Amino acid sequence: DAGVIQSPRHEVTEMGQEVTLRCKPISGHNSLFWYRQTMMRGLELLIYFNNNVPIDDSGMPEDRFSAKMPNASFSTLKIQPSEPRDSAVYFCASSQENQPQHFGDGTRLSIL
Amino acid sequence: QKEVEQDPGPLSVPEGAIVSLNCTYSNSAFQYFMWYRQYSRKGPELLMYTYSSGNKEDGRFTAQVDKSSKYISLFIRDSQPSDSATYLCAMSAGGFRGSNYKLTFGKGTLLTVNP
Repeated sequence: DAGVIQSPRHEVTEMGQEVTLRCKPISGHNSLFWYRQTMMRGLELLIYFNNNVPIDDSGMPEDRFSAKMPNASFSTLKIQPSEPRDSAVYFCASSQENQPQHFGDGTRLSIL
Repeated sequence: QKEVEQDPGPLSVPEGAIVSLNCTYSNSAFQYFMWYRQYSRKGPELLMYTYSSGNKEDGRFTAQVDKSSKYISLFIRDSQPSDSATYLCAMSAGGFRGSNYKLTFGKGTLLTVNP
């Protein structure tokens, strides 16, 4: 079984540029989560989708961040404009109803 | 006070040792408790999952929850070098059900098991 697939695995870009992170959840999973992990703050939930609909985006840090899920097999997290403090590892996770979350291997983002 | 506190370590033990990892929490609404293992440059993977107070055993791993003390533990018996990873505790009030599902993670404890 293919797990949660994230791309790119690494991204280095300059401050002010637009960054787009991509996620393909496990087939059949109806919930999708975006997390950010830093040394200072640990793993934080940014946004949660259920059946492609955003349910809880209270963790999205500010308007520079946006997330979409146009269909059940694809989601994006976009940062525009990016800032150095956005540097972190971003994880996508998916789950079926009443089941644990399965995480991808993350995108390591560095903003210079 | 942070909702979930976890000693970041690092913790270094010899192969075969018993390892004890712990978290404390402040939110009495938490009812579901999880331990995730995260290898370097990988995503977290679910190791153990318990509901409310009590113990749960799975092979070399035992999870304990003491809700009265707001304290959870993960014990690893006969530790192996392959257990070297970061261990994250996580908790939720609503388990895995629908929109109540929201995990609050500890920052993780880095464990190294030396051969």
